[in-house]
Amino acid sequence: DAMVIQNPRYQVTQFGKPVTLSCSQTLNHNVMYWYQQKSSQAPKLLFHYYDKDFNNEADTPDNFQSRRPNTSFCFLDIRSPGLGDAAMYLCATSKRLTAFDEQFFGPGTRLTVL
Amino acid sequence: AQTVTQSQPEMSVQEAETVTLSCTYDTSESNYYLFWYKQPPSRQMILVIRQEAYKQQNATENRFSVNFQKAAKSFSLKISDSQLGDTAMYFCAFMNHMNSGYSTLTFGKGTMLLVSP
Repeated sequence: DAMVIQNPRYQVTQFGKPVTLSCSQTLNHNVMYWYQQKSSQAPKLLFHYYDKDFNNEADTPDNFQSRRPNTSFCFLDIRSPGLGDAAMYLCATSKRLTAFDEQFFGPGTRLTVL
Repeated sequence: AQTVTQSQPEMSVQEAETVTLSCTYDTSESNYYLFWYKQPPSRQMILVIRQEAYKQQNATENRFSVNFQKAAKSFSLKISDSQLGDTAMYFCAFMNHMNSGYSTLTFGKGTMLLVSP
């Protein structure tokens, strides 16, 4: 089945140690998103790619970066994780950037920072 | 900026009963979309139902229906004949309709629904 896949499902890192989260999709969608979801809070959009065009939300910390080497893959890099970065990270895709186009979510990666 | 408020952190319902989840939002826009997403434990979030603000008729998808009150900026989700598989976190979300540029989803904090036998 076509889907959005996130690896790993659980990631533990140490304070300040760089970490990369991975997302892949078989939907051939143009748009890929990264959301941060902290406990008991709403998912918050960090950034998205439309094809190769990168769009950073205004309040996304510089500590968070992303790469999209091809249509299928997108990575979230956290350069120096702090305790406050512990969260569920959700990847999503959509065909276009309109409300007509449903966003399809992956299962998420739960990041723990020790 | 748009805000989405879900005032019920948790709700419980018994199997086969009906439950309503509340959502209010704030926007100055006239044309937008509203969504309910379901996130089962340890599984991915999926779209349950979508409502376009310019449509007066309430959206319905099988056992799921909404009560959209545009003037009151209210968008509640009714689940009829609740099933155990409906146990999940439910997120209300908002998106502007943009003629140019792009728009993104704004989520509420979610309501955890527990369906018991």
